[in-house]
Amino acid sequence: ETGVTQTPRHLVMGMTNKKSLKCEQHLGHNAMYWYKQSAKKPLELMFVYSLEERVENNSVPSRFSPECPNSSHLFLHLHTLQPEDSALYLCASSQGRGPSGNTIYFGEGSWLTVV
Amino acid sequence: GQNIDQPTEMTATEGAIVQINCTYQTSGFNGLFWYQQHAGEAPTFLSYNVLDGLEEKGRFSSFLSRSKGYSYLLLKELQMKDSASYLCAVRDYGQNFVFGPGTRLSVLP
Repeated sequence: ETGVTQTPRHLVMGMTNKKSLKCEQHLGHNAMYWYKQSAKKPLELMFVYSLEERVENNSVPSRFSPECPNSSHLFLHLHTLQPEDSALYLCASSQGRGPSGNTIYFGEGSWLTVV
Repeated sequence: GQNIDQPTEMTATEGAIVQINCTYQTSGFNGLFWYQQHAGEAPTFLSYNVLDGLEEKGRFSSFLSRSKGYSYLLLKELQMKDSASYLCAVRDYGQNFVFGPGTRLSVLP
């Protein structure tokens, strides 16, 4: 079993649909992240939750709505997306603050296609 | 602002040594990380530097110079399975990991 699990692995949705991506971490970490990875672009940090409180929101459009009900679960609610939102969405978790060798652990990702 | 630069692509021969460079300018510094990402898969952790100098881990080594905002990943005795993207990331403050664009390495027989 991997430390960070994401569902679904693949999602195709129309521009008027509402769907959600789910992430669960089994590592006892206190921070969770959503990243977006598009072709030929760097990993883009979308949201960071630390101790269930959102601490980072990198000017992400409101059609992406995160939810962190507890330290082990993270959701990304999607509605009225655009074709350019098609990408790999990666969930990750980490532990600790400040200088630390505690790395970030990624889930397998959710491939999203908006048609 | 945040800026991390890496070469886009590199090619090397099986058995050779390759050095992948990374330069960074970030708001705060709490460590530099290298990750490997095979096509269609999630990134996996390779190495971590927070103090200047070289960290060695088997065939992989990573170097950091904080004064120069510079790091490199050194891969020795290259194998075909090392063909992947290599991502440089900085933990700037708190728990924010900022990633570079990644370097796609192709290992040829």
